[in-house]
Parts: sequence; C-alpha cells; structure tokens
Amino acid sequence: EDQVTQSPEALRLQEGESSSLNCSYTVSGLRGLFWYRQDPGKGPEFLFTLYSAGEEKEKERLKATLTKKESFLHITAPKPEDSATYLCAVIKAAGNKLTFGGGTRVLVKP
Amino acid sequence: GAVVSQHPSRVICKSGTSVKIECRSLDFQATTMFWYRQFPKQSLMLMATSNEGSKATYEQGVEKDKFLINHASLTLSTLTVTSAHPEDSSFYICSASTSGGAYEQYFGPGTRLTVT
Repeated sequence: EDQVTQSPEALRLQEGESSSLNCSYTVSGLRGLFWYRQDPGKGPEFLFTLYSAGEEKEKERLKATLTKKESFLHITAPKPEDSATYLCAVIKAAGNKLTFGGGTRVLVKP
Repeated sequence: GAVVSQHPSRVICKSGTSVKIECRSLDFQATTMFWYRQFPKQSLMLMATSNEGSKATYEQGVEKDKFLINHASLTLSTLTVTSAHPEDSSFYICSASTSGGAYEQYFGPGTRLTVT
C-alpha cells in the first residue's frame, strides 16, 4: 500500500534557524513527488515537483531534494512568513491521484 | 498562472438542505478535477476524481449519492452536498490538473461548510 510519512509533525524555529523537513514514501513506482505549503483556512499552494532521485529544486529560502526513499525540504534562514504547514504528496506510476503525508506544521518565531 | 477559484468561501446551511460548491480553473483548461475534504489539523482526504464529460470516480467510503459531482466543462466542476447533516461540516477543497503530461494539481482556496 502506498504510504507517505512526514516528520516531524511540528517544528518551532527561531528566525534565521535553518532546518529540514522529511518526507519518506513507499510507492509502487514513483511518477512524481510534490511539495505544497498550506496556510490556515486556505488551500495548498504548489511549491515543487520532483521526478527522479538526485533532483533538486529551489525557490527563495526553500530547497527540495529527492532520493529513492525520501524527500527533504530545507528551509534556509527562515522568516516568520515561512510559518505554515508543509505537505508532501506522491503520484505513483500509471496514476493521477495524490497521496498526501500528514504534513509538518512549521512556526518561525521572530 | 494556474489559478483555481472556489465559491462560496464559506457557507452555513441547515440540516437537511443541499449546498453546491463551485470550482473553476481561471486561466487553464482542467481535464481532471479533484475534490478533497480536510478535517482540522489533518491532511487532505481525496473524495473523488472527475474528468470533463465523464462520471466522477469516488474513493472508497465516499457516498456518491450524497456528494454529487459534475464536471460539465473544462473549467468548471461542482460538488453538491445533498441532505447535509452536521457531520458533513468540513473544509472542502478542489484541485485541477492540466493535461499534457504534467501532474501538478493546483488547489482552490477551499470552502468552509457548516451545517447547523
């Protein structure tokens, strides 16, 4: 059965304190791994798609990496506006449905 | 680009009534749209997948007669919650996916449904 597990569940950071979020997955053939940001009471906002092991993508203070078993979302020198829930999801080969992890709630304090 | 809207953003209805939620892709054609439900502090749960002009495919445990989905055009899908009950109160989110090999889903802002 396809499974996506995110850790930690919650993360409290001081402004400027870099950290990494983990997304481990078990899927029969990975078509793509996706990272989303979700603010309270809003829909998820697309951040990155990763397709193959070794791939990396960056956007401002965020960098996503992918291996054959997991993905990391690195937050470099975070600011309070980076506070949100970060969701990881996968689509398996021959499919189009996202399977989501439980999310990591990030709070960045000034 | 890739903007998805939902209407209404919030709705309160009485138990036993029906409520319709619209999901529109504003700047692209969405061959596939998805409907999710999200409970507080939980991740998204897929309810159904709809392709334009076809019947929706519902996930196991989702009542298709209660949650009616229509995907009449490449830019509009609707979810109708029929005979709503308080346990249907939730945050409903739609997403849309383009064709052509890309698999990103772009999400709407969500609709908060409260059934009294």
